[in-house]
Amino acid sequence: QVQLQQSGPGLVKPSHTVSLTCAISGDRVSRNGAAWNWIRQSPSRGLEWLGRTYFRSKWYTDYAVSVQGRITINPDTSKNQFSLQLNSVTPEDTAVYYCARDPLGADGHYYFDFWGQGTLVTVS
Amino acid sequence: DIQMTQSPSSLSASVGDRVTITCRASQSISRFLNWYQYKPGTAPKLLIYSASTLQNGVPPRFSGSGSGTEFTLTISSVQPDDFGTYYCQQSYSSPMYTFGRGTKLEI
Repeated sequence: QVQLQQSGPGLVKPSHTVSLTCAISGDRVSRNGAAWNWIRQSPSRGLEWLGRTYFRSKWYTDYAVSVQGRITINPDTSKNQFSLQLNSVTPEDTAVYYCARDPLGADGHYYFDFWGQGTLVTVS
Repeated sequence: DIQMTQSPSSLSASVGDRVTITCRASQSISRFLNWYQYKPGTAPKLLIYSASTLQNGVPPRFSGSGSGTEFTLTISSVQPDDFGTYYCQQSYSSPMYTFGRGTKLEI
């Protein structure tokens, strides 16, 4: 059974950086055939996909246009985890942040089948 | 971005009722549509992917249908544990995924 365990601070000052980590058990961050995502949820923006990283002979990352330029997602194969850094945050970035796995189905249908427990990040 | 519109935004049902939630996409997304259930304090749970495929372990009272721009999630006989908010999500424009705003189900 895949489990994702999130860690990181819940309170961040404006203009500073949100840093979260998602530790993976039951799967490997470097496995071909999975993508590792960050998603957030807030009352104003609903559920919002932020970005992902995945390995296909080399590492790839994709980011949402809404946070492009402020976001970095990095894998850490030695610890089997991946991280989120979101820079220059404002109160608008206050949200519950989730990590999630996409098993990248062979038929091209993508979905999030395992999620972390969520981290409420307040920018204040 | 592909916009996802859910209706209704909330509904109340009694145990045993049949409930249908609709999700409409702003353009055709074939069958690249997933459904999640969310309960406060927990992570969203995948119910259905590819419009109609039931995720492992999800009770068969949940079903999904549709293609193109219109999709439905049906609960054939609502149970007390089915309260929560239901979200649709399109994966057609991978990886620029978008979600609906949710339908809150009260029992």
